[in-house]
Amino acid sequence: NAGVMQNPRHLVRRRGQEARLRCSPMKGHSHVYWYRQLPEEGLKFMVYLQKENIIDESGMPKERFSAEFPKEGPSILRIQQVVRGDSAAYFCASSETGGAGDSYTFGSGTRLTVV
Amino acid sequence: GENVEQHPSTLSVQEGDSAVIKCTYSDSASNYFPWYKQELGKRPQLIIDIRSNVGEKKDQRIAVTLNKTAKHFSLHITETQPEDSAVYFCAAEGGSSASKIIFGSGTRLSIRP
Repeated sequence: NAGVMQNPRHLVRRRGQEARLRCSPMKGHSHVYWYRQLPEEGLKFMVYLQKENIIDESGMPKERFSAEFPKEGPSILRIQQVVRGDSAAYFCASSETGGAGDSYTFGSGTRLTVV
Repeated sequence: GENVEQHPSTLSVQEGDSAVIKCTYSDSASNYFPWYKQELGKRPQLIIDIRSNVGEKKDQRIAVTLNKTAKHFSLHITETQPEDSAVYFCAAEGGSSASKIIFGSGTRLSIRP
């Protein structure tokens, strides 16, 4: 079991460009969560998705950010027109049932740097 | 929604001593409380969790306690070792936050040789 796979591990974008972050959940997991971690800070919830559905996007900025988890393929977190403040580590986690008490397994993260 | 407070933000202990990290949560309906350890530049990893139907859980040198009445829970690490140095995050899930885990701000634990 390869665990939660995120790519790329590091991503550099110029201001105004688009960033696409990919996450493949653990085998057998159909629930995906995205978190953002600013340097020296905690993990902030962004969005929770199941296959083809956004369940909870209460932590995601209304503009420039979007997420999807298609029927086939990885979950994608997309950031349009990136700004310096978007520089952070973005972690994806997956769980098996999505129910309360179901533990998360995290990927290694994508470290986004906006220059 | 759920809010999780964590203290202290940094903690330095002598190798072999104990370390205690404390957290409080706001949503009385929360019922699952995991703890994650994150080493520098790496992913958060689950080290122990506790559910609301128990008050204490132990796994070798690590123990967690939960006080539902006071809405606080703690992580205890005994006989600390250099490899315990990391950032530790408490978290809560359930109640109005069901379907997502809300994390505390983290405690940077340093073990002095």
